Amino acid sequence: GIQVEQSPPDLILQEGANSTLRCNFSDSVNNLQWFHQNPWGQLINLFYIPSGTKQNGRLSATTVATERYSLLYISSSQTTDSGVYFCALNTGGFKTIFGAGTRLFVKA
Amino acid sequence: DAMVIQNPRYQVTQFGKPVTLSCSQTLNHNVMYWYQQKSSQAPKLLFHYYDKDFNNEADTPDNFQSRRPNTSFCFLDIRSPGLGDAAMYLCATSQTSGGPSSYEQYFGPGTRLTVT
Repeated sequence: GIQVEQSPPDLILQEGANSTLRCNFSDSVNNLQWFHQNPWGQLINLFYIPSGTKQNGRLSATTVATERYSLLYISSSQTTDSGVYFCALNTGGFKTIFGAGTRLFVKA
Repeated sequence: DAMVIQNPRYQVTQFGKPVTLSCSQTLNHNVMYWYQQKSSQAPKLLFHYYDKDFNNEADTPDNFQSRRPNTSFCFLDIRSPGLGDAAMYLCATSQTSGGPSSYEQYFGPGTRLTVT
């Protein structure tokens, strides 16, 4: 089956710093989503991005499907950005595979 | 706002005592999913309903069942919870029509299940 690798596994930032999270995958995908799981456990949609680049405020994402990776950029990080960031891939049908996540802690 | 709602947010049950978790949605999506997420792990798909069609993942234990009485509601039944079933249970929906955003999933806040 498809392999999904996220890096780094853990990240500590000082408030105001920028960061890049990476998601590599081993097969072609129908769609790719980035989620933020907050400390209360809710998965919040950040981007639906099977290809191309999108921006939403301080966050942006780029997926290069032909090279099988996606990047999530966080600029001017805030303490509320803390949590776990997952990429999730669908390769066909209804099965979605989640990466192991990047655990982010932003220090005040 | 359209949303996915899960009740209760926290559930405590006893070892072996059946428990039901519920999910409702106001998005009118045709697919509903149940995921299990254990501590420090990624969510794992248990099953999904595409309209009324139930689809079980191959490795989902028989102890887990689901019901979808109508478009808006979906239930997760755990017939005989064991200590290993303690987890966060997440419900999600998608509107799958073959369009550009097919399979884009929207999650509820989850139910955290404790088994004593």
